[in-house]
Amino acid sequence: QKEVEQNSGPLSVPEGAIASLNCTYSDRGSQSFFWYRQYSGKSPELIMSIYSNGDKEDGRFTAQLNKASQYVSLLIRDSQPSDSATYLCASKGSGGGYQKVTFGTGTKLQVIP
Amino acid sequence: NAGVMQNPRHLVRRRGQEARLRCSPMKGHSHVYWYRQLPEEGLKFMVYLQKENIIDESGMPKERFSAEFPKEGPSILRIQQVVRGDSAAYFCASSTGQSSYEQYFGPGTRLTVT
Repeated sequence: QKEVEQNSGPLSVPEGAIASLNCTYSDRGSQSFFWYRQYSGKSPELIMSIYSNGDKEDGRFTAQLNKASQYVSLLIRDSQPSDSATYLCASKGSGGGYQKVTFGTGTKLQVIP
Repeated sequence: NAGVMQNPRHLVRRRGQEARLRCSPMKGHSHVYWYRQLPEEGLKFMVYLQKENIIDESGMPKERFSAEFPKEGPSILRIQQVVRGDSAAYFCASSTGQSSYEQYFGPGTRLTVT
């Protein structure tokens, strides 16, 4: 069964620090990876997509992909209390045609003022 | 540019009643996905639909649950004879197509079965 694994947390970081969120996936052929942010009681919001090995930066967010290690991470620089949420990692399975997007169970981030 | 719309936002049903959840995808999107989320748990995939077609229903319970996405109108997730265990948040997401895997979520419907 194709899986996406995340540490459930909570991960606590002080305001202004770098928060590092990690995710591993079991399907070696996966090509597409996504990070979603979900505030308590709200729906998931897509914040980053990454398809190639290396880093992708968008504002304070950097997604990192290492396909050899089957590892995806999300770095949040200058963390703010408003970043406190659950972060979901997701991957699309390998193969042509339709492949399901599989979500991890999420890591809860707490940014301490 | 309206996002994914879901209604109702909150739905209360008594055991044995039917629940109908509606989802209108984002403009330009023709692919719809339904997920269920229990409190403090992850998203569970239920079904993936295109207009008039069910592509993947591997996450749908075999009984009482059905989904459709007609040529005209919203996608509907239907739960017959609801039980307390059906109480959850139901999220709909949409995408432009199979080649675009970025899914955008609606606000969800919170179903409470009493």
